Order: sequence, then structure tokens, then C-alpha cells
Amino acid sequence: KNQVEQSPQSLIILEGKNCTLQCNYTVSPFSNLRWYKQDTGRGPVSLTIMTFSENTKSNGRYTATLDADTKQSSLHITASQLSDSASYICVVTKYGNNRLAFGKGNQVVVIP
Amino acid sequence: DTEVTQTPKHLVMGMTNKKSLKCEQHMGHRAMYWYKQKAKKPPELMFVYSYEKLSINESVPSRFSPECPNSSLLNLHLHALQPEDSALYLCASSQEGRQGRYGYTFGSGTRLTVV
Repeated sequence: KNQVEQSPQSLIILEGKNCTLQCNYTVSPFSNLRWYKQDTGRGPVSLTIMTFSENTKSNGRYTATLDADTKQSSLHITASQLSDSASYICVVTKYGNNRLAFGKGNQVVVIP
Repeated sequence: DTEVTQTPKHLVMGMTNKKSLKCEQHMGHRAMYWYKQKAKKPPELMFVYSYEKLSINESVPSRFSPECPNSSLLNLHLHALQPEDSALYLCASSQEGRQGRYGYTFGSGTRLTVV
């Protein structure tokens, strides 16, 4: 079973609207959680990184939240733009090594 | 400089060819990684170098041969590949032992096609 589950698998949103992506994980012990944006055929670009003690982190129109007790995270995109069309990947690092557990990604398509 | 640079961006090679992928970072990171990513799938770890020594090989076929000439460079030598090896190959680096607060940075990838 995948240790990082993301939902929804894909979604289509209108330009200017907001959306929220979900990530649930079972990785333990926990070190940190990162959200990456990946355009097709390109490498992942880091959006946010949160450790155990951080509940929220913003990067421009992207805001990530973390509830380490329930092992849940979300990524909120505000006022979406066409350039936000991409896959958003939730990645959890296990404490003690540099192993990353990847979610399968949320495929977001922003339409005019 | 906060980038991981990969070359070439695209590579087409025959099954009998020998080619190399290159990765470079100047962030002082002491851990470097190779990943393979197929379309619509998450990246899969192939190799990990820590302080220029191979620390993890995820049972990768010997037709893939990694090399770490120094702390800034990571190569992946390719020989006798199969069409199913066609994928996006990603390099990444991180501060060894500091995965908590510091960057785990990916390169932009090499799109490999084996014909």
C-alpha cells in the first residue's frame, strides 16, 4: 500500500477559482512533508516544506497545511492561473534517512 | 546558485549505443540521487550517493552505471538499454542529514528515448 495517498487524482478548475488538494500519509517516523509542482516532462519544483511543528506554510498563491496528528496535509491554490496546470506531488520524508515517499500526484487543469 | 543542472535535456539513443547523463550542483549538498520517472507515475529511486560514495542501489540493472567524480557532479552511464528504459531521468541533491529543513532539489530532467 502506498504510504502517501493524494486526492483528487485529477480536477479541472476555471481560471481565477480556488482549489484544495489533499494528501494523507502513513510514513513513520515523520521528518517533513513537501509539496512539489511538476510540469509535464520537467523536474519537480519545490513549493513548500513543513516539519512536524509547522501547521501552515505559504508561497505566493500556494498555501500548505499540515496536521501531523492526523497525518494529513492540504495544498490550497488561490486565484488559479492557466500556468498552474500541472501535477502537484506530495512527498513525505521518513525520519532517519533521506528516503522520500511520493504520492501519485494531483493533476490540475486550469481552463479559461 | 540553488539549481541542479542536468544535461542533455533530451536524448535519443539506439539499443547498442553508449551514452551518459550528467548532473551538477553547487549548493554544497553531499547527497545526490538518480530517479527514473515514467509518464503519469511518481519518480522511482535508482541510486543514492552520500559523500561521493554509492550508498543505495535499488537493484538497478547493470546497464545503468552511476559515477560520482566529485561532490558537485553525478553521472549516469548508459549501455545496451531497452526501449522500456525510455523515461524522464531526474537528478536530485540534498544536504546529508539535513533533510528536515533544507532543500531537496530536483533537476529539470533528461528525457530519454531508446529506439
